[in-house]
Amino acid sequence: EAGVAQSPRYKIIEKRQSVAFWCNPISGHATLYWYQQILGQGPKLLIQFQNNGVVDDSQLPKDRFSAERLKGVDSTLKIQPAKLEDSAVYLCASSLRRDLTHHEQFFGPGTRLTVL
Amino acid sequence: AQTVTQSQPEMSVQEAETVTLSCTYDTSESDYYLFWYKQPPSRQMILVIRQEAYKQQNATENRFSVNFQKAAKSFSLKISDSQLGDAAMYFCAYRSAFGYGGSQGNLIFGKGTKLSVKP
Repeated sequence: EAGVAQSPRYKIIEKRQSVAFWCNPISGHATLYWYQQILGQGPKLLIQFQNNGVVDDSQLPKDRFSAERLKGVDSTLKIQPAKLEDSAVYLCASSLRRDLTHHEQFFGPGTRLTVL
Repeated sequence: AQTVTQSQPEMSVQEAETVTLSCTYDTSESDYYLFWYKQPPSRQMILVIRQEAYKQQNATENRFSVNFQKAAKSFSLKISDSQLGDAAMYFCAYRSAFGYGGSQGNLIFGKGTKLSVKP
């Protein structure tokens, strides 16, 4: 079974530029999560999708971050414009269903973003 | 709001020995799940072990076991017979069993403990 795929693995941009990250969850997984992991900290949830609908984006900085999950499969996270403090690893995870809370979240390898 | 605290930023263990990583959490909920995740330099988070709060028996997975003290809100991870491949960041995480609105299924992580294994 293929795992969660993410691309790119690394990205370096200048501040005020735009960047997008892509995630392909495990086949059949209805729930998709984006986490931000700043160096020296644990991951923090940015947004959660159930199929193609957003169920929690309370910690997403909506003035600059956006995310979509068209057709309930792949997802894209965008930052526009980027700030220095956005430098972090962006992790994507998926799980079978959100209401079966014991279901494991499977993580992708992450994208390391550096904003100069 | 729930919080997870890992008070040991770094730990070191000799190969083949045993090490215990600490985690405490704060919650007003009675039913929840606790997890330990491993994150090697490749950055991919891997689930090590899971504990349901309603179970009194401590979870075990091969060389990994937990000491779950619900009243003390403590959840430590014991790694026995440590191997070089165990070197990684270890994160303790909390997840509500029910949640309300959008919080269902969300993991809340501690800051992590970096484990080094000496040959």
